[in-house]
Amino acid sequence: TQLLEQSPQFLSIQEGENLTVYCNSSSVFSSLQWYRQEPGEGPVLLVTVVTGGEVKKLKRLTFQFGDARKDSSLHITAAQPGDTGLYLCAGARSGNTPLVFGKGTRLSVIA
Amino acid sequence: EAGVTQSPTHLIKTRGQQVTLRCSPISGHTSVYWYQQALGLGLQFLLWYDEGEERNRGNFPPRFSGRQFPNYSSELNVNALELEDSALYLCASSYNRGIQETQYFGPGTRLLVL
Repeated sequence: TQLLEQSPQFLSIQEGENLTVYCNSSSVFSSLQWYRQEPGEGPVLLVTVVTGGEVKKLKRLTFQFGDARKDSSLHITAAQPGDTGLYLCAGARSGNTPLVFGKGTRLSVIA
Repeated sequence: EAGVTQSPTHLIKTRGQQVTLRCSPISGHTSVYWYQQALGLGLQFLLWYDEGEERNRGNFPPRFSGRQFPNYSSELNVNALELEDSALYLCASSYNRGIQETQYFGPGTRLLVL
């Protein structure tokens, strides 16, 4: 059973379009992190959200943590080819348990 | 500040051989995590070490083992390699201060088992 479900699995869009990636669970998380991973490299942390309802912005990226801390979304405005990569969400259930990762959303932005 | 480092970057082994992968955490981080990322399977948690002790273990056979040294660096050992062990092995480090466990990843070691 996958504790964190990410959707869509694959997304191919044109440069300039907007997109939203979802990360859903039936479990409550104390915090949730979003990473981006490029081929052959390790995931790079984008943001950590810890409060239900929290919204964080990172330039053209907007991250939201659900009120019940069971889900999160990543919205990208005016996508650019440099946004291409694998986006992973990961949830922490407590401070002393390993992160639970979703399988990721593979985004391709075409110029 | 230096990030998490891993060595080697690439490795080719044959079935039945043994391999040791190494990880140096960010300075000040006491926790080290190991993950396996096989094609199409996402990140699978392997092992977690903190302050030199194994804190948690994922659903992997005993031939996957490791240790953490007094300087908080870590090794992952895989014995009796099988073809399906081919994957990117990622190490991450963090502080261990309770909630908000942000993990920082290294670039990974790509292992190919022939």
